Amino acid sequence: KQEVTQIPAALSVPEGENLVLNCSFTDSAIYNLQWFRQDPGKGLTSLLLIQSSQREQTSGRLNASLDKSSGRSTLYIAASQPGDSATYLCAVSQDGGSQGNLIFGKGTKLSVKP
Amino acid sequence: NAGVTQTPKFRILKIGQSMTLQCTQDMNHNYMYWYRQDPGMGLKLIYYSVGAGITDKGEVPNGYNVSRSTTEDFPLRLELAAPSQTSVYFCASSYSIGGRVLPEEQYFGPGTRLTVT
Repeated sequence: KQEVTQIPAALSVPEGENLVLNCSFTDSAIYNLQWFRQDPGKGLTSLLLIQSSQREQTSGRLNASLDKSSGRSTLYIAASQPGDSATYLCAVSQDGGSQGNLIFGKGTKLSVKP
Repeated sequence: NAGVTQTPKFRILKIGQSMTLQCTQDMNHNYMYWYRQDPGMGLKLIYYSVGAGITDKGEVPNGYNVSRSTTEDFPLRLELAAPSQTSVYFCASSYSIGGRVLPEEQYFGPGTRLTVT
């Protein structure tokens, strides 16, 4: 059974720091991996999607990498800002399935202090 | 496009009551999903649908029912509400690009926060 783990559970950094969020998964047979942002009381916003054949994706100050063989992904946030404060969720879509549902980690709660 | 919309945003139910959570998407997506998120946890799949008239169970289906009579709508029905169903419910949708079995990026609604007391 696929399990997704995110470390750390919470992270507090001063504004301007570069930071890395980690995600690991137990079954490397994934179709894709998505990073989401969730603000308190809000829904999920997709940040980056990496297909299993890709190594990384970039969007603005965000860079996500994927090492499928080792079951790891990282989300790198450059020059963090207070507006980046949110919970970041990692989710994988299992290969070989037909429903495409996502299996989520518990998230990393990020706080960026001004 | 409004994307994925959910109603209501909040609801308090008494034990044993029933209700329907509404979900509508206007992106012509064929796949739709219901997830629940308990405090401090990731999302877990309740039910999903790969097209109108087709639904199937996810990881935590007990106590819920769904239907998919149109491409746009995917309501979730709670029968005999229990305190264990207190959670935030998210509806999502995605589109399977021709030839591929698995759908692409999922889009989420804003959620329904349900409390059962």
